[in-house]
Amino acid sequence: EAGVAQSPRYKIIEKRQSVAFWCNPISGHATLYWYQQILGQGPKLLIQFQNNGVVDDSQLPKDRFSAERLKGVDSTLKIQPAKLEDSAVYLCASSLETGIGYTFGSGTRLTVV
Amino acid sequence: QKEVEQDPGPLSVPEGAIVSLNCTYSNSAFQYFMWYRQYSRKGPELLMYTYSSGNKEDGRFTAQVDKSSKYISLFIRDSQPSDSATYLCAMSALDKIIFGKGTRLHILP
Repeated sequence: EAGVAQSPRYKIIEKRQSVAFWCNPISGHATLYWYQQILGQGPKLLIQFQNNGVVDDSQLPKDRFSAERLKGVDSTLKIQPAKLEDSAVYLCASSLETGIGYTFGSGTRLTVV
Repeated sequence: QKEVEQDPGPLSVPEGAIVSLNCTYSNSAFQYFMWYRQYSRKGPELLMYTYSSGNKEDGRFTAQVDKSSKYISLFIRDSQPSDSATYLCAMSALDKIIFGKGTRLHILP
């Protein structure tokens, strides 16, 4: 079974620039999540999709972050404009069932300078 | 009070020792309790999950949940250098998973 694919692996941008991350979940997984993991912290949920629809985006900074999941498969997460405090690893995960046993990708490490 | 509390470590133990990792939580609605392992520059991978209270064993790993004390543990027997990683506890009430900060574990050869 192929895992969760994410790209790019690393990204360095200047503050106020924009950036986008891509995720391809495990085939058949209806639920997709984006997490932000700041160094030394546990992952924090940004947004959860069930197929095409958003289930939870309560912790997504909507003034600068946006996410979409087209056709219930791939997803993109965008930051515009980026701030220094957005430096983190952005993890995508997918699961068959909500709330148990997510499979994570390797993440995109973002550095904002 | 945070929903999930976990000591960040680092925790260093000699190879072959028994390791005990712990988390406490405040939300009594949590029903599923998970342990993830995260190697450097990798995403977390699910080690074990337990439903409600009790113990679960998988090879050298044992997970314990005490819902009355809101306390969960992961024990690693015969620890190996390859067990060196960050261990994240995680909990769910079947809506979303809440993670602890993670404990960095070093197994010394």
